[in-house]
Amino acid sequence: AQKVTQAQTEISVVEKEDVTLDCVYETRDTTYYLFWYKQPPSGELVFLIRRNSFDEQNEISGRYSWNFQKSTSSFNFTITASQVVDSAVYFCALTPYGQNFVFGPGTRLSVLP
Amino acid sequence: DTAVSQTPKYLVTQMGNDKSIKCEQNLGHDTMYWYKQDSKKFLKIMFSYNNKELIINETVPNRFSPKSPDKAHLNLHINSLELGDSAVYFCASSQESSSTDTQYFGPGTRLTVL
Repeated sequence: AQKVTQAQTEISVVEKEDVTLDCVYETRDTTYYLFWYKQPPSGELVFLIRRNSFDEQNEISGRYSWNFQKSTSSFNFTITASQVVDSAVYFCALTPYGQNFVFGPGTRLSVLP
Repeated sequence: DTAVSQTPKYLVTQMGNDKSIKCEQNLGHDTMYWYKQDSKKFLKIMFSYNNKELIINETVPNRFSPKSPDKAHLNLHINSLELGDSAVYFCASSQESSSTDTQYFGPGTRLTVL
């Protein structure tokens, strides 16, 4: 069975702080993909990143970075120098090859001015 | 230009009614999906269509019927609405039918059943 755990239900930080959102996944498949999506207060789901199970290189995109560690089945997401516009619910998702997307429960991030 | 669009954005209706939600994508993608997001923000896939053919049909009451007139459109029709159907419904699309392809989501339709 596939499962995604985002243990942090809600996080609050003050603007300019760094924040890491945790994602731990479970799958027996060796080929799978991991995703992060952002859902701002306006409600839409915005794609952030896709990573395959054979690529463990960390990725950086502006203030966003992702740390993929197969040994701990984690795919954590860090926002550096957070801004109020980063306030949103962030979802981690897993899709083993040939199977459905499985979303985590989401982490609500509040960035306070 | 909107990539994946849904109408309406909000839908308020009485129990027992029949309603439809429309979805269109202009990305040229082959596969489209419907997801349900409940009040706790939990997202679950309902249906998937590839080139107008149903490929995923999760455990969803048969009151829900997807219709795909062409590969750019996937509409969701719901019969005999119940209180528990209240949720946000998201349409999504991906280039291929492979589940590992990135899915792009529409803005969501908030359905409230009174």
